[in-house]
Amino acid sequence: AQRVTQPEKLLSVFKGAPVELKCNYSYSGSPELFWYVQYSRQRLQLLLRHISRESIKGFTADLNKGETSFHLKKPFAQEEDSAMYYCALSRVRETSGSRLTFGEGTQLTVNP
Amino acid sequence: DAMVIQNPRYQVTQFGKPVTLSCSQTLNHNVMYWYQQKSSQAPKLLFHYYDKDFNNEADTPDNFQSRRPNTSFCFLDIRSPGLGDAAMYLCATSRGGGYGYTFGSGTRLTVV
Repeated sequence: AQRVTQPEKLLSVFKGAPVELKCNYSYSGSPELFWYVQYSRQRLQLLLRHISRESIKGFTADLNKGETSFHLKKPFAQEEDSAMYYCALSRVRETSGSRLTFGEGTQLTVNP
Repeated sequence: DAMVIQNPRYQVTQFGKPVTLSCSQTLNHNVMYWYQQKSSQAPKLLFHYYDKDFNNEADTPDNFQSRRPNTSFCFLDIRSPGLGDAAMYLCATSRGGGYGYTFGSGTRLTVV
């Protein structure tokens, strides 16, 4: 079974400070990992995918298979980063459509 | 803009009275998903369609059904809503495989 754990429900940092949102997963196969973000009163939207190796809005995430982690990082947090962040895992390339399993989310607050 | 649209945004139904939630997409994606999200919990997959193929999750109650009459539309039917079915219901689409999802804004269901 696949499982995603986000150990922190709430995370509060000051503007300009580094931020790291933790995500650990368990899955026996080769997973694909995602970060989704939900800003206040907006829909859930894709932030980044591990296979893209991209940086979006200054955020990066590296898949560490040894530690089964996919932590989300940003060196300098901004107030507009305040949102709910979900880590999600998908089984790779299922022909019947991938199934995303979500973590319980971390509410990030960036204080001025 | 191509998007995923859920109607209505808010739905109030009576205990035991059948209710239908709708989702439409203009992305022409193969896969459409329904997730249930209760307060402070992770979104939970109920079922999904890969084209016309219906894929139910093992722990989805029989009370929940779905229809996909064409590529663009997908419906969630709750045959006899209970108080425990009050939640946010999220529709999402995907091209399949390892691509990310595009979410609708959700329908918040209240059961009275």
